[in-house]
Amino acid sequence: DGGITQSPKYLFRKEGQNVTLSCEQNLNHDAMYWYRQDPGQGLRLIYYSQIVNDFQKGDIAEGYSVSREKKESFPLTVTSAQKNPTAFYLCASSPDSSRNTIYFGEGSWLTVV
Amino acid sequence: KNEVEQSPQNLTAQEGEFITINCSYSVGISALHWLQQHPGGGIVSLFMLSSGKKKHGRLIATINIQEKHSSLHITASHPRDSAVYICAVGGIQGAQKLVFGQGTRLTINP
Repeated sequence: DGGITQSPKYLFRKEGQNVTLSCEQNLNHDAMYWYRQDPGQGLRLIYYSQIVNDFQKGDIAEGYSVSREKKESFPLTVTSAQKNPTAFYLCASSPDSSRNTIYFGEGSWLTVV
Repeated sequence: KNEVEQSPQNLTAQEGEFITINCSYSVGISALHWLQQHPGGGIVSLFMLSSGKKKHGRLIATINIQEKHSSLHITASHPRDSAVYICAVGGIQGAQKLVFGQGTRLTINP
């Protein structure tokens, strides 16, 4: 079945370490997104990519980095520069960025210990 | 003031009750989403609408563009409907500019 796969589901990281969250889609979508969700807040956009080898900062990109070397993959690295990385991270995709249709993955819980 | 406001933030009801969740927005939009976030965290799109009303099973979504308001209704609610329901609005720029509400946590007791 087509969909978005995020891994790992749960991740613990020590302060000062970088960690990479994986997002893979087999929907043949051009656009992919990373969101952060904190308790009591709406989803906030970290980075998005409209096409392979291109990506743009979202509203809260500081302390994060991404790459888009393949159409189906959009990994997110949470760097040690991110001051408050403990959160729930969601990956999403859409056929292209001009449309409002969007599909979400199951999310990854990151805890910094 | 948030661009997208949902009410109530939390809602507890008994099985079988009729449920209404509201979403008000302050920006011009081309589409509004209702999303369901289940306890594991994954999000499923329930509806995307730009006018009128849509129905899927026991779920009904309506939107009033003039009043900038949408409602999600659940008829004959069931404990499996317990989830967080999220409203999101998008403009002509597409999914990259979606603005999300804070969500409504719904609990249906047997």
